[in-house]
Amino acid sequence: GDSVTQMEGPVTLSEEAFLTINCTYTATGYPSLFWYVQYPGEGLQLLLKATKADDKGSNKGFEATYRKETTSFHLEKGSVQVSDSAVYFCASWNSGAGSYQLTFGKGTKLSVIP
Amino acid sequence: GAGVSQTPSNKVTEKGKYVELRCDPISGHTALYWYRQSLGQGPEFLIYFQGTGAADDSGLPNDRFFAVRPEGSVSTLKIQRTERGDSAVYLCASSRVLETEAFFGQGTRLTVV
Repeated sequence: GDSVTQMEGPVTLSEEAFLTINCTYTATGYPSLFWYVQYPGEGLQLLLKATKADDKGSNKGFEATYRKETTSFHLEKGSVQVSDSAVYFCASWNSGAGSYQLTFGKGTKLSVIP
Repeated sequence: GAGVSQTPSNKVTEKGKYVELRCDPISGHTALYWYRQSLGQGPEFLIYFQGTGAADDSGLPNDRFFAVRPEGSVSTLKIQRTERGDSAVYLCASSRVLETEAFFGQGTRLTVV
C-alpha cells in the first residue's frame, strides 16, 4: 500500500533559521501530496498541497515542490518564527487507487526558540 | 457550525466498556472521515462516509469498531469491549464532497484504563 516517510524530530531551530523537513512517498500512480500542521492545542490544518508533478504548494512562507523523479515533497521555509512551532505531517492521497483516504507520515515536531 | 466539532474532547473508560465518540461535520459537507492517532504516530485512516453510507471501512481494526452516519450529517464511532490498545486520539474530518480539502476536528482523546 501507499506510505509516507518523513524525517524524525524533534527539530529545534533558532528564529530566522532556514527550515527543511524531508518527506518521501511510495504510491501506485500519481498521488496528491499535502503538508498538514498541528499547532499546540489545535486540530490538524492543511498548510499546502500539490496535485501533480512539479507543482509547488506554498502558504505562510512555507513551500514544497512535488518531485516525481525522487518521490519527494520536502517542506521548506526561509526564515522560521516562534509561531511556527508545531507538529508537521506530510500526507498523500491516491484517489486513483479507488479510495479517498489520506496516508500520513509520523509527524515532525518543530520548536523555534527566540 | 464554523468547524468540525467532536465530543467529548476527553474520555476515560475502563477496559471492557463501550464508548461512543461523536462528530459534527461542517454544515453541508457530504464526506466524513474518521482517523486514529496513536502517541508519536501520524493519523491512520479508519473509515469514510459519502452521505449516509460507509464508502470505505477498510481501516477499522476489528469488529469491535463500528461507525454510523444515519442522516448524512452527525457521525458516531462506536467501540465495544474497549482494550488498553484502543487508547489514542480519534480524529474526525469532513469535506464538501470527496476530492476536496478535508477539515479536521480537534479530536477525542480516549484513554482506556
